[in-house]
Amino acid sequence: AQKITQTQPGMFVQEKEAVTLDCTYDTSDPSYGLFWYKQPSSGEMIFLIYQGSYDQQNATEGRYSLNFQKARKSANLVISASQLGDSAMYFCAMREGSNTGKLIFGQGTTLQVKP
Amino acid sequence: NAGVTQTPKFRILKIGQSMTLQCTQDMNHNYMYWYRQDPGMGLKLIYYSVGAGITDKGEVPNGYNVSRSTTEDFPLRLELAAPSQTSVYFCASSDSGQFDNEQFFGPGTRLTVL
Repeated sequence: AQKITQTQPGMFVQEKEAVTLDCTYDTSDPSYGLFWYKQPSSGEMIFLIYQGSYDQQNATEGRYSLNFQKARKSANLVISASQLGDSAMYFCAMREGSNTGKLIFGQGTTLQVKP
Repeated sequence: NAGVTQTPKFRILKIGQSMTLQCTQDMNHNYMYWYRQDPGMGLKLIYYSVGAGITDKGEVPNGYNVSRSTTEDFPLRLELAAPSQTSVYFCASSDSGQFDNEQFFGPGTRLTVL
């Protein structure tokens, strides 16, 4: 069965430093997509970055990059040059190729950026 | 485009009451989803729909019902509310069910059952 695991309940990072949020996944489907979402204290879900199982290169979106290690089944989010506004809950999610579009979410990691 | 809209934003229910959470999207998406998020946890799928007239259960469907009579609307019905249904409810939509297709989320409805 598909599963997403985020083992870091909470993380601290100093402003302007980089931070890595861990995500491991489990699936037997060769076609899948991995997503990261940010949830600030206001509660909305903000899409950050996507990585497809067939993508050869790691995804990047501005200060966000995804360290995709397919053999290890990990999809870690790297945030460079952290800002105070990055303080939020971060969720890793997976979508399989079943054509239902269902997302499976991890438990989330709370990131706090210190000034 | 307004995207995905949800009403109400907040609601307090008494045990045993019923209510309908409304969800509307204006992106002409075929796929729509209802998730719940318990405090400090990730989102779990309640129900989903791949098109008007077609719905199916997700991971945690008990205590809920859905209908999909139009492409735009996907209401979630709570019958006989229980404290265990205290949660934040998110509606989402996507253009397709393909694994690389982004899912767009509404702002959420915060429900408390007392």
